[in-house]
Amino acid sequence: AQKVTQAQTEISVVEKEDVTLDCVYETRDTTYYLFWYKQPPSGELVFLIRRNSFDEQNEISGRYSWNFQKSTSSFNFTITASQVVDSAVYFCALSPSGTYKYIFGTGTRLKVLA
Amino acid sequence: NAGVTQTPKFQVLKTGQSMTLQCAQDMNHEYMSWYRQDPGMGLRLIHYSVGAGITDQGEVPNGYNVSRSTTEDFPLRLLSAAPSQTSVYFCASSSGQIETQYFGPGTRLLVL
Repeated sequence: AQKVTQAQTEISVVEKEDVTLDCVYETRDTTYYLFWYKQPPSGELVFLIRRNSFDEQNEISGRYSWNFQKSTSSFNFTITASQVVDSAVYFCALSPSGTYKYIFGTGTRLKVLA
Repeated sequence: NAGVTQTPKFQVLKTGQSMTLQCAQDMNHEYMSWYRQDPGMGLRLIHYSVGAGITDQGEVPNGYNVSRSTTEDFPLRLLSAAPSQTSVYFCASSSGQIETQYFGPGTRLLVL
């Protein structure tokens, strides 16, 4: 079975705090892709990052960083020094290679309070 | 480029009515897909297409039909709307499986 679990339904932090959003996935495929998307209050979905299963290097992009660990089937997302504009719903997604099917997690709503 | 466009933005239907949700992209993407977003459920794949003339079912295809006669357009048809189809529908496109999926702004559908 293929599944993405985002156990944190909602997280509230105060501005400038660091916050980590968890993503755990299940798949039997050896080749797959993982994604993070952001859905701000306006409703559109914004691509943040793509990672393939053979690339376990962590990635940093400004205040955003991602920790991919195949051993624990996790692809966690950290926002450093959070800002009010980071308030959104964040989705993690899995796509097994060759399937063209994307399995999304249920999302984590992040509220950053001023 | 307009990217991915969806019409209408909002629609109210009565049970049993039919309608078509339109989706178009101007990026010459081969891959297009339809998702529905329900509270607490995330996004679930309804149907997808890997090119003109080629479609396949996703996770929740029942009650929906699709066709792909051109690269640009991928309409989603509800033949007989049911209250369970009340949802927000997103269309997406990409140039390939591993490439970025670009999402449309969504269509909010209410079935009474």
